[in-house]
Amino acid sequence: DSGVTQTPKHLITATGQRVTLRCSPRSGDLSVYWYQQSLDQGLQFLIQYYNGEERAKGNILERFSAQQFPDLHSELNLSSLELGDSALYFCASSVRLTSGTTDTQYFGPGTRLTVL
Amino acid sequence: DAKTTQPNSMESNEEEPVHLPCNHSTISGTDYIHWYRQLPSQGPEYVIHGLTSNVNNRMASLAIAEDRKSSTLILHRATLRDAAVYYCILRSPTNFGNEKLTFGTGTRLTIIP
Repeated sequence: DSGVTQTPKHLITATGQRVTLRCSPRSGDLSVYWYQQSLDQGLQFLIQYYNGEERAKGNILERFSAQQFPDLHSELNLSSLELGDSALYFCASSVRLTSGTTDTQYFGPGTRLTVL
Repeated sequence: DAKTTQPNSMESNEEEPVHLPCNHSTISGTDYIHWYRQLPSQGPEYVIHGLTSNVNNRMASLAIAEDRKSSTLILHRATLRDAAVYYCILRSPTNFGNEKLTFGTGTRLTIIP
């Protein structure tokens, strides 16, 4: 158990719909990352938040958005869903970083999204 | 980001050591070498990381070549639970907005009972 929780575990929805994925980081971790894993693209970084602010963006579609709340939990919102958005979505968290070092990211169990 | 090259798949017998190679010929002097693994139906899991010296922890050992252009993850006694996809990832030291993990295709390790 990494200490990172994600809900729901599974989500089945239809094209055109909107869903929200939730992530609770490990206690004390300020950084939250979102990754998408699909069969054809592998694991890809979407977006990172640090202490409530967006810190880095990856290959995140404009239809997708995220935020991190004052209690440090994060939500990933996916709208106008397409069949190709079906994937596993992972959240990871890490502690505050010291300059000149690298962090260790702890991943949640993921949310499996199926768009029909 | 500097690129890593790993074999697509490897097999090993249970209770034997496993050596998973990673080539990273374009590594910069400050890049750390990280290994993560992903067990079936789970999120990725941190295994080990190092900069120049060999590293050991309870999960594995990391052997880094003297020129740092390659490294080897060593599982000393593989169990069936070690069957996973192993990712070798290069990471620059903390830099604003540069902490993401860039996953390649990894090595799928199969353990034979």
